[in-house]
Amino acid sequence: DGGITQSPKYLFRKEGQNVTLSCEQNLNHDAMYWYRQDPGQGLRLIYYSQIVNDFQKGDIAEGYSVSREKKESFPLTVTSAQKNPTAFYLCASTSQGGTNEKLFFGSGTQLSVL
Amino acid sequence: AQSVAQPEDQVNVAEGNPLTVKCTYSVSGNPYLFWYVQYPNRGLQFLLKYITGDNLVKGSYGFEAEFNKSQTSFHLKKPSALVSDSALYFCAVRRGNDYKLSFGAGTTVTVRA
Repeated sequence: DGGITQSPKYLFRKEGQNVTLSCEQNLNHDAMYWYRQDPGQGLRLIYYSQIVNDFQKGDIAEGYSVSREKKESFPLTVTSAQKNPTAFYLCASTSQGGTNEKLFFGSGTQLSVL
Repeated sequence: AQSVAQPEDQVNVAEGNPLTVKCTYSVSGNPYLFWYVQYPNRGLQFLLKYITGDNLVKGSYGFEAEFNKSQTSFHLKKPSALVSDSALYFCAVRRGNDYKLSFGAGTTVTVRA
């Protein structure tokens, strides 16, 4: 089945630690996104990528990093510089433009600080 | 900068009554507008989108939305709400030549029986 897979479902970070959230899609989509969901603040864009080996900062990129070495994969690293990392993280992908454009979302990763 | 405003945190309606969820946007150039829904314990799902053409867009589950360029609005509507429509609704916007997609804060819809 085609889809977008995020792992792990739950993740715990210790003080000063970097953690990486995985996002894989087999939909052959060019564009991929990372959002952070906090109660009352909706979905805030962290990073997005329109094509392999290229990505752009979203609205809240500080303390995060990404890579896009393969079309299928768009991992997000939450660095120690992110002082308030506790949130629900959603990865999404879409085909580019046209009548088929719509985001497919993963099931999310809940990140908590120990 | 682009942004989306959903002025109501919560909307409460009785089953069978019309449902409206409001959205206004700010973006340079031609907007691409979307509505997504997040049901409890389920992932985010696409409802409908406006890219160009007819200002009234029809989507999934009987929802529709009207694009109003002069008011920079894209309100979501359903003529007769169901209890199963209770969920968190998000409006989103991007510019036509950029894939940066910005979401609003979301509106929680509760439909009472």
